[in-house]
Amino acid sequence: GDSVTQMEGPVTLSEEAFLTINCTYTATGYPSLFWYVQYPGEGLQLLLKATKADDKGSNKGFEATYRKETTSFHLEKGSVQVSDSAVYFCALSEGGGADGLTFGKGTHLIIQP
Amino acid sequence: DVKVTQSSRYLVKRTGEKVFLECVQDMDHENMFWYRQDPGLGLRLIYFSYDVKMKEKGDIPEGYSVSREKKERFSLILESASTNQTSMYLCASKESHSYNSPLHFGNGTRLTVT
Repeated sequence: GDSVTQMEGPVTLSEEAFLTINCTYTATGYPSLFWYVQYPGEGLQLLLKATKADDKGSNKGFEATYRKETTSFHLEKGSVQVSDSAVYFCALSEGGGADGLTFGKGTHLIIQP
Repeated sequence: DVKVTQSSRYLVKRTGEKVFLECVQDMDHENMFWYRQDPGLGLRLIYFSYDVKMKEKGDIPEGYSVSREKKERFSLILESASTNQTSMYLCASKESHSYNSPLHFGNGTRLTVT
């Protein structure tokens, strides 16, 4: 079945550092790919998405490119802030759409001032 | 903006109690979902519904049931709560059957079963 693998956390960085959170997936077809963010005490919010190969999703300074050849969707940000501290989830959707998303286990990001 | 509201942020229940977790969305979405979130396991799908009175099992339905009597409301039921059901429960909704549509989440209910 479909699966999503994310790098283990927590990831600790200093403010203004460059961020990469790796995400790879396994799917039988051509999924849509998503990054969600969960701030402390809240539910998940959509951060960005990409629906086909070579698409780049971007939002709030974060970017991720759908790489079909490497089955990857790595999240990047050029200069992180303390307010980016959160848990980040990579997810995919395939098939009829009524059955939700398949999520990775999440990566806890900690940004130190 | 889509609003998904879960009725309780925190619940404490005793083993064997019947527990209802309520979720309401305000955007007329057809599809609704219940996930549980546990450290090291990420999000796992319990049940979903694509229409009123319709329900489908997710990956971990054992020990749970659901009810969808109205389009905007999707309830998760623990018939007899057990300590291994202590978790964060997240409700979500989605606007169509397209797999490009994102899920919209509520803020979660943290359930503790003692």
